Amino acid sequence: EVQLVESGGGLVQPGGSLRLSCAASGFTVSTNYMTWVRQAPGKGLEWVSVLYIGGWTFYADSVRGRFTVSRDNSKNTLYLEMNSLRAEDTAVYYCARGLSVEPGGDSFDIWGQGTMVTVSS
Amino acid sequence: QSVLTQPPSVSAAPGQRVTISCSGSSSNIGNNYVSWYQQLPGTAPKLLIYDNNKRPSGIPDRFSGSKSGTSATLGITGLQTGDEADYYCGTWDSSLSGVVFGGGTKLTVL
Repeated sequence: EVQLVESGGGLVQPGGSLRLSCAASGFTVSTNYMTWVRQAPGKGLEWVSVLYIGGWTFYADSVRGRFTVSRDNSKNTLYLEMNSLRAEDTAVYYCARGLSVEPGGDSFDIWGQGTMVTVSS
Repeated sequence: QSVLTQPPSVSAAPGQRVTISCSGSSSNIGNNYVSWYQQLPGTAPKLLIYDNNKRPSGIPDRFSGSKSGTSATLGITGLQTGDEADYYCGTWDSSLSGVVFGGGTKLTVL
């Protein structure tokens, strides 16, 4: 079965760090582009980061310089390293697999169940 | 304030047809492909439409997508109570070098 399972969320103090994991099964992370999307409580979807097959990465302005996306091909897992966390980073974080191969056609067909990150003192 | 503009809510009766609009600019919708997602309460988003008008395997043809200029539209026919959800459009923004989503539209099936 093709699926993604996130883990690593939890309660962290402002200024702290957290690493989210996204374990893939049924497909290979290294041969797909992958993304992180978050959703604050009661709010809409907010794109966070994307990691392309060739290793290129892009980030939303709100997290650039604080978050880092990476993958471990041997573990078939995507990661999101989050530093200098702020209250406004509180959200459910989803990882998702890219589908379209068209340039500028970023779309995501397989989503994890999400992991909650709460930044509070 | 989202880069892509969607109506906050739409409603229609069971069996009817509804459309949800998504308005952007030349840096996003105008020169890139649009996707649409359905999010049922308490669940992860689900891809309905990609590359403007393609349906992933398993998505019924009651769902359709179109794009014209800097706007896109999701259409849903034969509305069912199970279609009540939040719907989001998304695309790549060449100026921002990132993916952008609309603010979401809550569909109510009366």
